[in-house]
Amino acid sequence: AQSVAQPEDQVNVAEGNPLTVKCTYSVSGNPYLFWYVQYPNRGLQFLLKYITGDNLVKGSYGFEAEFNKSQTSFHLKKPSALVSDSALYFCAVREPSSSGGSYIPTFGRGTSLIVHP
Amino acid sequence: DAGVIQSPRHEVTEMGQEVTLRCKPISGHNSLFWYRQTMMRGLELLIYFNNNVPIDDSGMPEDRFSAKMPNASFSTLKIQPSEPRDSAVYFCASSLSTAHKGETQYFGPGTRLLVL
Repeated sequence: AQSVAQPEDQVNVAEGNPLTVKCTYSVSGNPYLFWYVQYPNRGLQFLLKYITGDNLVKGSYGFEAEFNKSQTSFHLKKPSALVSDSALYFCAVREPSSSGGSYIPTFGRGTSLIVHP
Repeated sequence: DAGVIQSPRHEVTEMGQEVTLRCKPISGHNSLFWYRQTMMRGLELLIYFNNNVPIDDSGMPEDRFSAKMPNASFSTLKIQPSEPRDSAVYFCASSLSTAHKGETQYFGPGTRLLVL
């Protein structure tokens, strides 16, 4: 069974500082990994995904994430945080259908990122 | 493309009333998901359709909830009778599911439901 964990309910960072939002996963086989962002009163928006290839994935709004197979992690990072990055961030994992997975991703509980001016 | 469209955006109703939420997925997408989001439970998958067929409805809370997808461009989620504990934001999402690619889900803006 696939699962994902976001160990931090909230991350606080000062504007201009680097940010990291953590995500770990568990699947059988190679994972498909996603990050989504949710701004207040909005639906989730896709940020980036890892399917295969380069472990460092670059996405929207200057975000990037690094796939680490040995640590089963897919942490979201940004070199310099903006106040406008304050939002709820969701990590999701899906096991490829070729490994017996369905098309249903499992979402984490979300991490609230607060960037202080 | 207008993205995933949901209606209504807000719904306030009284306990016992029937509520119908609507979703129009992105044209060409073959998978549709209904989610519920609350502070207590986070984001919960209610039901998943592929090619208009319900594939996994294990997340549907109980018989009061039902979902249909009569065609590729429309889906409904119905609650009858509604209860205060059904108050939540309900999201519809669609994707183009293929066997060998990690498809992205596109979420609608959600319907904020309040049952009094």
